[in-house]
Amino acid sequence: QQQVKQSPQSLIVQKGGISIINCAYENTAFDYFPWYQQFPGKGPALLIAIRPDVSEKKEGRFTISFNKSAKQFSLHIMDSQPGDSATYFCAASGNNDMRFGAGTRLTVKP
Amino acid sequence: KAGVTQTPRYLIKTRGQQVTLSCSPISGHRSVSWYQQTPGQGLQFLFEYFSETQRNKGNFPGRFSGRQFSNSRSEMNVSTLELGDSALYLCASSLAPANYEQYFGPGTRLTVT
Repeated sequence: QQQVKQSPQSLIVQKGGISIINCAYENTAFDYFPWYQQFPGKGPALLIAIRPDVSEKKEGRFTISFNKSAKQFSLHIMDSQPGDSATYFCAASGNNDMRFGAGTRLTVKP
Repeated sequence: KAGVTQTPRYLIKTRGQQVTLSCSPISGHRSVSWYQQTPGQGLQFLFEYFSETQRNKGNFPGRFSGRQFSNSRSEMNVSTLELGDSALYLCASSLAPANYEQYFGPGTRLTVT
């Protein structure tokens, strides 16, 4: 039962461009929405997270936008760099449950 | 503070065998979750342990089992291995169950031949 849907599955962006990854959730009991970044050969690492009472959170070049009414949230990577090439997972946590999206493989071309 | 460690890092087994993977969480973390990662399938949740009790279990057959010890270290076992069990098995620890802030280990790459 997939409770967090993530798109696109893969994304290719030119250096300096904006990368956008979208997620949608179903369970309104979720109260934290983190994003994880995974490089090849490594485990995922927490990148940034947002609570549903905030519509946007920015950390450096990474921004989460949150739309509570639509039950959607997205990750924006501004000025994308080749070093950002990785797999990104959105997730939703709350009510003693945590679900991950299927992941987006981002490739930033130099 | 040391991160999550998983042993072994790589493993090759044949069909029908069984395997045990180990995970040592970050010091002070009492919750350990296990995930299976395969290309195109994302992170599939296996189970979560907190204070030696299984709190949650994913949709995997009974061949997959786990346990947690009093020092929070955890093991997962897969019996009667199948080719489809080839995957990266990730362990994550956190302070509390289903906490959004999980710390992942590097994983164990299991290949079943």
